[in-house]
Amino acid sequence: GQSLEQPSEVTAVEGAIVQINCTYQTSGFYGLSWYQQHDGGAPTFLSYNALDGLEETGRFSSFLSRSDSYGYLLLQELQMKDSASYFCAVRPNTGFQKLVFGTGTRLLVSP
Amino acid sequence: EAGVTQFPSHSVIEKGQTVTLRCDPISGHDNLYWYRRVMGKEIKFLLHFVKESKQDESGMPNNRFLAERTGGTYSTLKVQPAELEDSGVYFCASSQAVGNASPLHFGNGTRLTVT
Repeated sequence: GQSLEQPSEVTAVEGAIVQINCTYQTSGFYGLSWYQQHDGGAPTFLSYNALDGLEETGRFSSFLSRSDSYGYLLLQELQMKDSASYFCAVRPNTGFQKLVFGTGTRLLVSP
Repeated sequence: EAGVTQFPSHSVIEKGQTVTLRCDPISGHDNLYWYRRVMGKEIKFLLHFVKESKQDESGMPNNRFLAERTGGTYSTLKVQPAELEDSGVYFCASSQAVGNASPLHFGNGTRLTVT
């Protein structure tokens, strides 16, 4: 089976840098994705790590280490609009296409 | 390009009643998924359609849930009869390609409250 754990809540101030961790126990997967969801809105895709290492997309970066069963999302130059829930997700290598999501982290950015 | 649309946005029903949720995926997306988020917990997979065929329905909670995608376009998810624990936000998502890097495009969800 698959299990992805995230901190339930993280708080930070505008302009700061925050890291949201995702630790997992899974029998095998193709890659690690991150999604953002604002209250009442649709989850939206942020990034994907197929291989170990760092992927950078603007203010957001994502990291994966399969040997450590660990990944993270790094948000830089935080803005108020970054307040949202963030989910890591994996697609298990079971032959099916479903995404398995983590427990989600609520990020609160204050002035 | 129109996004994934879901209807209704909110539904409040009594235990024992029936509710049908609708999802219109992005045009041309063969893959359609239903997910559910209960009580602010993780987003849980329900099932996956490829065109009109059910590819994976391993996440469906029980036989009170029925999903259809006639014609391979829009999909419906019916809950009959609804129970209190069915309350949550039901998300639909679609993707064009089947691939490990293919992101899912989600709708805004239907917030279902069973009283």
